Amino acid sequence: DAKTTQPPSMDCAEGRAANLPCNHSTISGNEYVYWYRQIHSQGPQYIIHGLKNNETNEMASLIITEDRKSSTLILPHATLRDTAVYYCIVRVPVYYNQGGKLIFGQGTELSVKP
Amino acid sequence: NAGVTQTPKFQVLKTGQSMTLQCAQDMNHNSMYWYRQDPGMGLRLIYYSASEGTTDKGEVPNGYNVSRLNKREFSLRLESAAPSQTSVYFCASSPDDLFLDEQYFGPGTRLTVT
Repeated sequence: DAKTTQPPSMDCAEGRAANLPCNHSTISGNEYVYWYRQIHSQGPQYIIHGLKNNETNEMASLIITEDRKSSTLILPHATLRDTAVYYCIVRVPVYYNQGGKLIFGQGTELSVKP
Repeated sequence: NAGVTQTPKFQVLKTGQSMTLQCAQDMNHNSMYWYRQDPGMGLRLIYYSASEGTTDKGEVPNGYNVSRLNKREFSLRLESAAPSQTSVYFCASSPDDLFLDEQYFGPGTRLTVT
């Protein structure tokens, strides 16, 4: 089973920040938090990942709480093209006996509205 | 670069037929993966190959076999298709699973078993 909990759906107004929450209360010290998205049945697309510190790239920001039990993905200025299912995933390195696999849950369906 | 390519895009099989789904990547990646996605669900890992010459089972390997033909190609075979294998199949690759690199996904193969 996936080790994350996400709301099934969210709406966001175009041009506003989209804040997508994720709970991972059983995360262990060697597990990373990854975010992927899937636009209308295309292959998933990597967004960002982090371990402890907040991370930012050209697509998004990732805020991880100090106890690492939850995180938030922030799309700073959502556009209609950001409408997708967003997956929050925790992942261990391959050398920790689980092969570094991505375990996908059901994700959050984000609808960006004009 | 074409990235990750999959053939065919669509396939309809009768119960008991066999087929092979093909996947190739031109990014010189070491690791490759096969996932399936059922309607309204997240992706589930079928098999993966951490490097050329190695393969390992994922969450849902039953009914499937894989071959890592060379560094570029990773095929998935259904020996005797069943209706429960109706799904969208995604292939992915990553530079090196050991270092938690992001995975790049192909466009998917939509398989229907009647």
